[in-house]
Amino acid sequence: EIVLTQSPGTLSLSPGERATLSCRASQSVSSSYLAWYQQKPGQAPRLLIFGASSRATGIPDRFSGSGSWTEFTLTITRLEPEDFAVYYCQQYDISPFTFGQGTNLEIK
Amino acid sequence: QVQLVESGGGVVQPGTSLRLSCAASGFAFSSYTMHWVRQAPGKGLEWVAIISYDGSSKYYADSVKGRFTISRDNSKNTLYLQMNSLRAEDTAVYYCARGKWLVRGVLDYWGQGTLVTVSS
Repeated sequence: EIVLTQSPGTLSLSPGERATLSCRASQSVSSSYLAWYQQKPGQAPRLLIFGASSRATGIPDRFSGSGSWTEFTLTITRLEPEDFAVYYCQQYDISPFTFGQGTNLEIK
Repeated sequence: QVQLVESGGGVVQPGTSLRLSCAASGFAFSSYTMHWVRQAPGKGLEWVAIISYDGSSKYYADSVKGRFTISRDNSKNTLYLQMNSLRAEDTAVYYCARGKWLVRGVLDYWGQGTLVTVSS
């Protein structure tokens, strides 16, 4: 199976700053079949990005995704208070459709 | 609006069985791929299973293969997860999620989850 490794495990930033989250795959993810999700405590995950760089419906443009093959990045420009959460990447190229272990974006 | 409501969770003993349900509304259920994803307490997300729109194709995580069965009843707009031979490590919140139209591996709507606790 494809193993996704996210870094850093925890990212401490202040509102207004820029966040850069990384997701590395153990083998190439073809056609950029990679998605990003946000999860807040006690809530279900929410889809942010699919196809490595396409924003889901209703997602603000301060969220952007990039990358290909084995290296992917989620960037959040100008952090808002509501952006502090856990972020997961997921590959849907090859079953099983694995998730990364998550990055906890916390307020500094 | 799209709604997914899971039910059937609870506390069960190791080795026993449980069936989860996910009632869907607000969209053409019979046209969409569906998934189950779980999250152990304080841990990350683990993809569990996928079923095609018509139920003809199913895939599972290795950790549940041979023990769990995903199914659906399109006449009832309901997704199921039959879980047999439950283990302590199956303890988790179980989410059902819809596969995005034409991008079936992307989970665009999620339910709120149902908690399964496997304990003696």
